[in-house]
Amino acid sequence: SAVISQKPSRDICQRGTSLTIQCQVDSQVTMMFWYRQQPGQSLTLIATANQGSEATYESGFVIDKFPISRPNLTFSTLTVSNMSPEDSSIYLCSVDKGLDTGELFFGEGSRLTVL
Amino acid sequence: AQSVTQLGSHVSVSEGALVLLRCNYSSSVPPYLFWYVQYPNQGLQLLLKYTSAATLVKGINGFEAEFKKSETSFHLTKPSAHMSDAAEYFCAASEGGGNKLTFGTGTQLKVEL
Repeated sequence: SAVISQKPSRDICQRGTSLTIQCQVDSQVTMMFWYRQQPGQSLTLIATANQGSEATYESGFVIDKFPISRPNLTFSTLTVSNMSPEDSSIYLCSVDKGLDTGELFFGEGSRLTVL
Repeated sequence: AQSVTQLGSHVSVSEGALVLLRCNYSSSVPPYLFWYVQYPNQGLQLLLKYTSAATLVKGINGFEAEFKKSETSFHLTKPSAHMSDAAEYFCAASEGGGNKLTFGTGTQLKVEL
């Protein structure tokens, strides 16, 4: 298993500002995933972050809006840039067990409200 | 492209009653299927998974799910609901395996006395 800590757990932000979410894992992992959960909708994968390379973004998500850092095997950040009310969501960090089986471990999420 | 559909965003059952949460998938290749549970203020955790072995899969906390290819379904059941089962449940699919999951919209389970 893996213990994942996210910060902040929640925040209220002003339109046009940016916020960085941190994800810390208690063990080294190869791949880290960032998901978004908009109100009343399913989890949507934003990007996959591998240590030592640029993140891979899913369709509809771009690096300028959601820059990601992955400085080492236990840590990643996701920045939500130039926020608008449409960015109000829960952002979740997750990791796999390294077996490519779809068994993911999730952090508790960061609930962002943009005014 | 695959998709996952969960029928019923909210399900309410009495304590001791059968729990049935529905999930249907569409996939061009045999998928791996998962049920995740999210308790209040916690991250998602894996309940059970289907990876092309036995079609009836048993998970934690007495839950099980049956893969039915003919119906493209993977419904989650528990014979007797407990108050502690109140949570949000997500069905997910991974096309042919791998870590890129497609999630359903979730079903909030409420258990009443």
